[in-house]
Amino acid sequence: AQSVTQLGSHVSVSEGALVLLRCNYSSSVPPYLFWYVQYPNQGLQLLLKYTSAATLVKGINGFEAEFKKSETSFHLTKPSAHMSDAAEYFCAVKGQAGTALIFGKGTTLSVSS
Amino acid sequence: EPEVTQTPSHQVTQMGQEVILRCVPISNHLYFYWYRQILGQKVEFLVSFYNNEISEKSEIFDDQFSVERPDGSNFTLKIRSTKLEDSAMYFCASSIGGQKTGELFFGEGSRLTVL
Repeated sequence: AQSVTQLGSHVSVSEGALVLLRCNYSSSVPPYLFWYVQYPNQGLQLLLKYTSAATLVKGINGFEAEFKKSETSFHLTKPSAHMSDAAEYFCAVKGQAGTALIFGKGTTLSVSS
Repeated sequence: EPEVTQTPSHQVTQMGQEVILRCVPISNHLYFYWYRQILGQKVEFLVSFYNNEISEKSEIFDDQFSVERPDGSNFTLKIRSTKLEDSAMYFCASSIGGQKTGELFFGEGSRLTVL
């Protein structure tokens, strides 16, 4: 069965620093992987998705993620954090059976000035 | 920009009471979903709905839960007799199609507190 594990429930960075949020997946078939972001009092918004095309995926707001099959990872990065990046980030994998997404526990990103 | 809207944003209820959470998906979307997130835990899939029937459901979605699309716009989640452990944030989502790579659009969530 498909699953994702997000390492670190809380990540703190300084403004301008590199952001790295970790996600490892488990899948018996080639996975479809997603990163969603949730800003305070808002719904989940798609940041980017991997669908077996390019292994480096670029998303909105300067975020990108690299699919590494050998490491079963799909870590999210951003070269320079902004205060507005403070939010909850969720990694997700498409379930094998149908259309539903299976989410990780989420990582809270805090950005300090 | 079209969005998924959910009501109420927060509901407090007594254990054993029935609760209905409402969602208005994006108008041209065909697949509808409910997820929940218990505080501090994962966002968990409950059910997906297509063509007026359940297309997929998780083990969480037992007989206490039901979904309905009573008209052309609303998509509801009913919990028949709430339990303390039903306290969670419930998210509605919709997607334009059932393709594996289809993006899900989420609402802001309805927080349910069962006392």
